[in-house]
Amino acid sequence: KQEVTQIPAALSVPEGENLVLNCSFTDSAIYNLQWFRQDPGKGLTSLLLIQSSQREQTSGRLNASLDKSSGRSTLYIAASQPGDSATYLCAVPIQGAQKLVFGQGTRLTINP
Amino acid sequence: DAGITQSPRHKVTETGTPVTLRCHQTENHRYMYWYRQDPGHGLRLIHYSYGVKDTDKGEVSDGYSVSRSKTEDFLLTLESATSSQTSVYFCAISGGSSGGAPDNEQFFGPGTRLTVL
Repeated sequence: KQEVTQIPAALSVPEGENLVLNCSFTDSAIYNLQWFRQDPGKGLTSLLLIQSSQREQTSGRLNASLDKSSGRSTLYIAASQPGDSATYLCAVPIQGAQKLVFGQGTRLTINP
Repeated sequence: DAGITQSPRHKVTETGTPVTLRCHQTENHRYMYWYRQDPGHGLRLIHYSYGVKDTDKGEVSDGYSVSRSKTEDFLLTLESATSSQTSVYFCAISGGSSGGAPDNEQFFGPGTRLTVL
C-alpha cells in the first residue's frame, strides 16, 4: 500500500529565506508526483507536476525534484515571502490508476 | 480554478437526511473525483469517474454513492447522512479534453463544507 509522508508537519521561517519541503513515498513505481498549495478554507491549487521520467520541474521561485529510487521529492522555495504562507501537500497516483494518495501536508508560515 | 464549481458551498443537515453535492466542470476533462478532507486524516478519495456512467470506489466509499450522466457533472450522494460524514468535500478533475493519460494533473474545486447534526 502506497504511503506518503511529509516532514515537518509545520515550519516557520523569516521572510527572504530559501527553504525545502520534503515528501517521501513507500512505493517507487509511480507515474508522477504532484505538489499542491492549500490556503485556509480554500481548495487545492496545483503547483507542479513531475513526470516519472523527469528529475525536476520549475515554476517561478518554486523547484520540485523527484528521486524515485529513494522514494523522495523536495519542493524548494526561493526567497520566501509572507504570501507563500499556506499548507503544501504532495500526492502520488496509485500504480495503474488515476487515484491520488496524499501526504498530510506541511503548514508553512513566513514571518515578515 | 480550472473551471470547476461545487454546489452548495456550505450545507448544514440533520442525521438521516439525504444529501447531494454537485460538481460541475467546463473543461471537458475525462476523469472526475470526490475527496473528503478531515483533520488527522488528510485528503481521502471517496469515488471517482473515468467517463460518463463509469465510476469506481475509492478508499472511503461506504455510505456514499455517485452518478455521472454527463461529462460535466459528477454528483455525490449521501443516502442517509451521519455525523461521521461531517467534512469538507472536494471535487477534482483530470484527463484533458482529449481523454488524457494516467499522468495528468488533477485540478480541484473550491470545496463544500458539510455539517451533519
